Amino acid sequence: ILNVEQSPQSLHVQEGDSTNFTCSFPSSNFYALHWYRWETAKSPEALFVMTLNGDEKKKGRISATLNTKEGYSYLYIKGSQPEDSATYLCASPPIQGAQKLVFGQGTRLTINP
Amino acid sequence: GAGVSQSPSNKVTEKGKDVELRCDPISGHTALYWYRQSLGQGLEFLIYFQGNSAPDKSGLPSDRFSAERTGGSVSTLTIQRTQQEDSAVYLCASSSLAGGWADTQYFGPGTRLTVL
Repeated sequence: ILNVEQSPQSLHVQEGDSTNFTCSFPSSNFYALHWYRWETAKSPEALFVMTLNGDEKKKGRISATLNTKEGYSYLYIKGSQPEDSATYLCASPPIQGAQKLVFGQGTRLTINP
Repeated sequence: GAGVSQSPSNKVTEKGKDVELRCDPISGHTALYWYRQSLGQGLEFLIYFQGNSAPDKSGLPSDRFSAERTGGSVSTLTIQRTQQEDSAVYLCASSSLAGGWADTQYFGPGTRLTVL
């Protein structure tokens, strides 16, 4: 059974500060890593899909890196804004060819003005 | 274009009643997924439809849960004889399957189910 873990569970950051959090997954059976942002009362929004070791992706002030050899991905937010407050989820397919995703528990980020 | 829509947005029901949750995927998307998030838990896979293939039902927690997808588009998730542990946010997602397991899944806003 694939185990995707995220840390920390929750995070409070001052507006303007930068922050990062982690998604860990087994390096032995990696296929893809998805990051989503889920704001309260909204749909989860896709941020990145990453497949290659060393991948770096960026969307505005948010970026992500991937290390498949050691089994982790970092999500970075530069210059946090109140609208960044959300739960950030990572997910991975459990087996080769699977379309379903196994999600981590999420990191709940709160930006304090 | 229009995103994934779900109805109802909220559903309160009494224990033992049946409920139906509806999902309208993005037009043209061949893959449709159901997930749920129970209180304090992560998103949990329930069932996956791909085109005309047999659905992957491996995540359904009991035989009280069933889902169908009519005409390759709209899907209905049915929970029979609801229990309090069925209370959760039920999310539907769709994808185009153009990129295989790296496909982005586009989520709807969810249905919050409360079983009293």
